[in-house]
Amino acid sequence: AAGVIQSPRHLIKEKRETATLKCYPIPRHDTVYWYQQGPGQDPQFLISFYEKMQSDKGSIPDRFSAQQFSDYHSELNMSSLELGDSALYFCASSLGFGETQYFGPGTRLLVL
Amino acid sequence: DAKTTQPTSMDCAEGRAANLPCNHSTISGNEYVYWYRQIHSQGPQYIIHGLKNNETNEMASLIITEDRKSSTLILPHATLRDTAVYYCLSYSGAGSYQLTFGKGTKLSVIP
Repeated sequence: AAGVIQSPRHLIKEKRETATLKCYPIPRHDTVYWYQQGPGQDPQFLISFYEKMQSDKGSIPDRFSAQQFSDYHSELNMSSLELGDSALYFCASSLGFGETQYFGPGTRLLVL
Repeated sequence: DAKTTQPTSMDCAEGRAANLPCNHSTISGNEYVYWYRQIHSQGPQYIIHGLKNNETNEMASLIITEDRKSSTLILPHATLRDTAVYYCLSYSGAGSYQLTFGKGTKLSVIP
């Protein structure tokens, strides 16, 4: 079965640079969620979108923004990167708002 | 969503059943019990969820007590590939759509 696709899988950036992470949900899934997992930590919710509208917001820094496009894929834009932004970033999708979330393999971001 | 409590770690012999407990004494009536697992920095993998009744799928069984204050995830025949951190979550999918991950249980399947 098709799963959530995330790209790139690995990304290395310098401090103060920008990064864009992409998420392609499972076909027919209309809701996307973003999570951040720092080293040795548990995943933390950042933001979610349903039908291209922001539906819920967690501990997402102001330097980050995200959107969902007409084909339901989503992009997480991260600016003025800091060392502390080094983490795994997971995208999840669900068929419908508030339904079971299925996670992608993640993007590992390293900020030097 | 209700706070859940799980043991920090557990060991299980390969081929035996792994029984992972979870306490969720403050769970409300519309909150489901969800289980996910994370195998070494991979994306969290959905296992199973339930509201009141016991549930079974190809991966595991979920036993929920009648008062819904606790539950047990059962992996019937644990393999080495089941070594992972298992997260028990409560989630209503109403009002807040974020999964709140606690510390989880580190399950080690021993050969």
